[in-house]
Amino acid sequence: EAGVAQSPRYKIIEKRQSVAFWCNPISGHATLYWYQQILGQGPKLLIQFQNNGVVDDSQLPKDRFSAERLKGVDSTLKIQPAKLEDSAVYLCASSLAGQGRFQYGYTFGSGTRLTVV
Amino acid sequence: LAKTTQPISMDSYEGQEVNITCSHNNIATNDYITWYQQFPSQGPRFIIQGYKTKVTNEVASLFIPADRKSSTLSLPRVSLSDTAVYYCLVAITGGFKTIFGAGTRLFVKA
Repeated sequence: EAGVAQSPRYKIIEKRQSVAFWCNPISGHATLYWYQQILGQGPKLLIQFQNNGVVDDSQLPKDRFSAERLKGVDSTLKIQPAKLEDSAVYLCASSLAGQGRFQYGYTFGSGTRLTVV
Repeated sequence: LAKTTQPISMDSYEGQEVNITCSHNNIATNDYITWYQQFPSQGPRFIIQGYKTKVTNEVASLFIPADRKSSTLSLPRVSLSDTAVYYCLVAITGGFKTIFGAGTRLFVKA
């Protein structure tokens, strides 16, 4: 089974620039998550999709971050404009997530390491 | 929201059994407990998941007491390659949201 694919692997941008990350989940996984992981901390959920609908985006800084999941498969996370504090690893994960019960674990991608200078 | 508390770090030697305990006092009736392992420059990797009593797979065992307010991940005979950060997660009822804590940094020495 192919894993969760993410690209790019690394990205360096200047503050105030924009950047986009791409995620292709495991085939058949209805639920897709974007996490932000700052060095030394655990992953923080930014947004969760169920198919192509947003389930939870309460921790997404909507003034600068946006995400979409067209056709319920691939997803893109965008930051515009970037700030220094956005430097982190952005992880995408997917799961089967059962109906009302958390029966399945996530599968994570390797992440995109973003450095804002 | 169910919050988890784990030790920040632990040291061990190769061949020893390691037990990492996680507290989750506010766990809800339908919440599962899941453990992940994360190596540097990689995303977290699912290790084991359980609801109550004991679960064992080829990698680890998970012990959950009757009150479910804590859980213990047991790694038998660790090796250097088990050096990683281990996260305990408790799913929010409904299964659609989980919160990662800071994790436990396990360092296995030769």
